Amino acid sequence: DGGITQSPKYLFRKEGQNVTLSCEQNLNHDAMYWYRQDPGQGLRLIYYSQIVNDFQKGDIAEGYSVSREKKESFPLTVTSAQKNPTAFYLCASSSGQGRDFFGQGTRLTVV
Amino acid sequence: QKEVEQDPGPLSVPEGAIVSLNCTYSNSAFQYFMWYRQYSRKGPELLMYTYSSGNKEDGRFTAQVDKSSKYISLFIRDSQPSDSATYLCAMSAATSGTYKYIFGTGTRLKVLA
Repeated sequence: DGGITQSPKYLFRKEGQNVTLSCEQNLNHDAMYWYRQDPGQGLRLIYYSQIVNDFQKGDIAEGYSVSREKKESFPLTVTSAQKNPTAFYLCASSSGQGRDFFGQGTRLTVV
Repeated sequence: QKEVEQDPGPLSVPEGAIVSLNCTYSNSAFQYFMWYRQYSRKGPELLMYTYSSGNKEDGRFTAQVDKSSKYISLFIRDSQPSDSATYLCAMSAATSGTYKYIFGTGTRLKVLA
């Protein structure tokens, strides 16, 4: 089945640690996105990539980094510079006609 | 003012009711509109996709776009308890082929059996 796979489902980070969230898609989509979801704030765009080896900052990129070395993969690293990383992180990909399809999310908690 | 406004609810309705969910927006360049359903602790699921104005129907769901009023709606007929979820609207201007969507905050819907 085609789809978007995010892992892990739950992730715990200690203060000062970098963590990487995985996102893989087998939909052959060129565009991929990372969003952060907080209660009462909807989805906010962190980074997006329209093609391999290219990506752009979204609205809240500070404290995050990404790479796009393969079409299928778009990992997100939450660095120690992100002061409030506890949130639900969603990865999405797009067919290029404006329809985003989402993974099941990773819930990151700082301990 | 936010670019996209959506009443957070919660909205409680009896089973079988017609549900109306709405979003307003301020950017007249938006031309791609989507509705997502999100169950608790899950990723959003695409329900309806509309380009420009007009209506679109899919089973019990109807999406309406009124660009003159900058207002979009999602109607759910014969609502079921399984429709209980958060509904997110999203829209984009698709500038230069980039589909950066702006999301509403979501409306929590509860359908009572």
